Amino acid sequence: DGGITQSPKYLFRKEGQNVTLSCEQNLNHDAMYWYRQDPGQGLRLIYYSQIVNDFQKGDIAEGYSVSREKKESFPLTVTSAQKNPTAFYLCASSIVRRGAFTDTQYFGPGTRLTVL
Amino acid sequence: GESVGLHLPTLSVQEGDNSIINCAYSNSASDYFIWYKQESGKGPQFIIDIRSNMDKRQGQRVTVLLNKTVKHLSLQIAATQPGDSAVYFCAENYNNAGNMLTFGGGTRLMVKP
Repeated sequence: DGGITQSPKYLFRKEGQNVTLSCEQNLNHDAMYWYRQDPGQGLRLIYYSQIVNDFQKGDIAEGYSVSREKKESFPLTVTSAQKNPTAFYLCASSIVRRGAFTDTQYFGPGTRLTVL
Repeated sequence: GESVGLHLPTLSVQEGDNSIINCAYSNSASDYFIWYKQESGKGPQFIIDIRSNMDKRQGQRVTVLLNKTVKHLSLQIAATQPGDSAVYFCAENYNNAGNMLTFGGGTRLMVKP
């Protein structure tokens, strides 16, 4: 069963705690992405990685950290420095073509993080 | 800055009718566009994509139209069904090298039985 998995589905965090969201894909995709979605809004890019051991900040990276030690995995840590972390977090992956064309991003089911 | 946007936040249609969801984009350099469907509490699901060298692309019950002259993208859903009720949003590529997408805010489609 191929695809992108995210865990946990729901996560609760106390203020001041760091939490790590898991994202795994078995699609053999080179690129992986983390987005944040707030109610009634579109997706905003947090971090992305196009190759193992390399990642880049997106539009709203402050308060977040990532690692890409394996091609299949791209965990996101929400640190205590993120002042408003309650949101729906989405992981995506895609092929990276060498050339002019972008490729479709495929999404996981998401993790809903709530700060208590 | 340049962005992707949507004309209507909510669209209500009768079951069996055709639906048209619109998206305006402002970056004339964008050359790849995607439509996603997102049901409540779930991740976005790929529907259809189109590259800028095309004006129209058809899938199963869906058609995407691209008008580069006025920078307009639309998603047409034929014979809309209750299962089509969801938020639909478009995305555009503005950086070929980075494989990055910019997402619009979304339109909620409500199908009345």
